[in-house]
Amino acid sequence: EVQLVESGGGLVQPGGSLRLSCAASGFTFSSYWMSWVRQAPGKGLEWVANIKQDGSEKYYVDSVKGRFTISRDNAKNSLYLQMNSLRAEDTAVYYCARELMITFGGVITALGYMDVWGKGTTVTVSS
Amino acid sequence: EIVMTQSPATLSVSPGERATLSCRASQSVSSNLAWYQQKPGQAPRLLIYGASTRATGIPARFSGSGSGTEFTLTISSLQSEDFAVYYCQQYNNWPRMYTFGQGTKLEIK
Repeated sequence: EVQLVESGGGLVQPGGSLRLSCAASGFTFSSYWMSWVRQAPGKGLEWVANIKQDGSEKYYVDSVKGRFTISRDNAKNSLYLQMNSLRAEDTAVYYCARELMITFGGVITALGYMDVWGKGTTVTVSS
Repeated sequence: EIVMTQSPATLSVSPGERATLSCRASQSVSSNLAWYQQKPGQAPRLLIYGASTRATGIPARFSGSGSGTEFTLTISSLQSEDFAVYYCQQYNNWPRMYTFGQGTKLEIK
């Protein structure tokens, strides 16, 4: 079974740090782009960051640039999100998601859509 | 930054009827658009990608259309399990960044 399981969420004070983890199973983790997506309480979805299969490319939403770092360990089938200088507005459920890969005309293409999601881990930034 | 705007914010439809949800991009995203369904307490589920291709296991009553800046998700005959919040999402090839719409809540009339 294809599965993503997030962990590492919790309560942290403003200015603090937290490291989220996502354990992947049931698929070849090293073949996929991976993303983090968050959802503030009662709000919509916000893409946060993604990382290429080999970690050579990483992208971030402007609001977290310079504060969050996405990384991966393909040997451990794991994705991470290091979050520093946390703010109240970072309070959210954080989802780990796999990006869709399709085969078209014999060519494997990575598309920027998220086809497998974890159940999420909750981060609360409050004093 | 490309802004995605969904309308309406809330849509009330009776079971068995058709629902039409809209998503507009602030600039052309070609066909690089997906639709997701999210139920309370659950993670989102991919329904449609490439504007019109159903994801694996998605029933045929879900269909997507559009390109450029205007997109539509149609649910042909609403089932009880379809009442949820729906999000559109676009992606840029480079830099590889994504934005979601604010969502449309589909509720039972």
